[in-house]
Amino acid sequence: DTAVSQTPKYLVTQMGNDKSIKCEQNLGHDTMYWYKQDSKKFLKIMFSYNNKELIINETVPNRFSPKSPDKAHLNLHINSLELGDSAVYFCASSETQTGLGNTIYFGEGSWLTVV
Amino acid sequence: AQSVAQPEDQVNVAEGNPLTVKCTYSVSGNPYLFWYVQYPNRGLQFLLKYITGDNLVKGSYGFEAEFNKSQTSFHLKKPSALVSDSALYFCAVRAFYGNNRLAFGKGNQVVVIP
Repeated sequence: DTAVSQTPKYLVTQMGNDKSIKCEQNLGHDTMYWYKQDSKKFLKIMFSYNNKELIINETVPNRFSPKSPDKAHLNLHINSLELGDSAVYFCASSETQTGLGNTIYFGEGSWLTVV
Repeated sequence: AQSVAQPEDQVNVAEGNPLTVKCTYSVSGNPYLFWYVQYPNRGLQFLLKYITGDNLVKGSYGFEAEFNKSQTSFHLKKPSALVSDSALYFCAVRAFYGNNRLAFGKGNQVVVIP
């Protein structure tokens, strides 16, 4: 069973398009995240939701809009895609956001290429 | 804010030899330390973590890590490396005074030579 699943795995699209990445977790966790991994493999948090409520919103362009319809799902919508948005986007989840020792479990990633 | 340093870009080791991947951290308060591994074109897989208690933590795939408070280190080790251990390894830290965010190091590429 896949604990954190995200689709699509690979996405190639043109500049200016709008695209969405979907994420679902079946771990029963309260907290979900979006991380971005750039071409140098650096990982940076973008957003965090706890039980459908936005709790972390890093300095991310407004073109990126997360949506959490329920605590098991966290989708990422990106408007007007730019070349610099090319990266790997990881969805993740943890039991709670305040439990510092809670393990964060990651999905397999979505490789976004903007051409 | 909390941070980790992984000083080496790449670690090369012969198959069967001991493997060490270094990590040092900086936090205010007690650290919560994690190691993850990323295989090519895959997501991050959790290996092990230190929360409290025994300084030697054992994890998946025969890996272990030792928490050293005086040296602010949490080095990852494996007694005998396998070719299949070739991957990117990330150290990460969380702390109470670090707004709960998990801060990752830059990653270490491990290459196990047959």
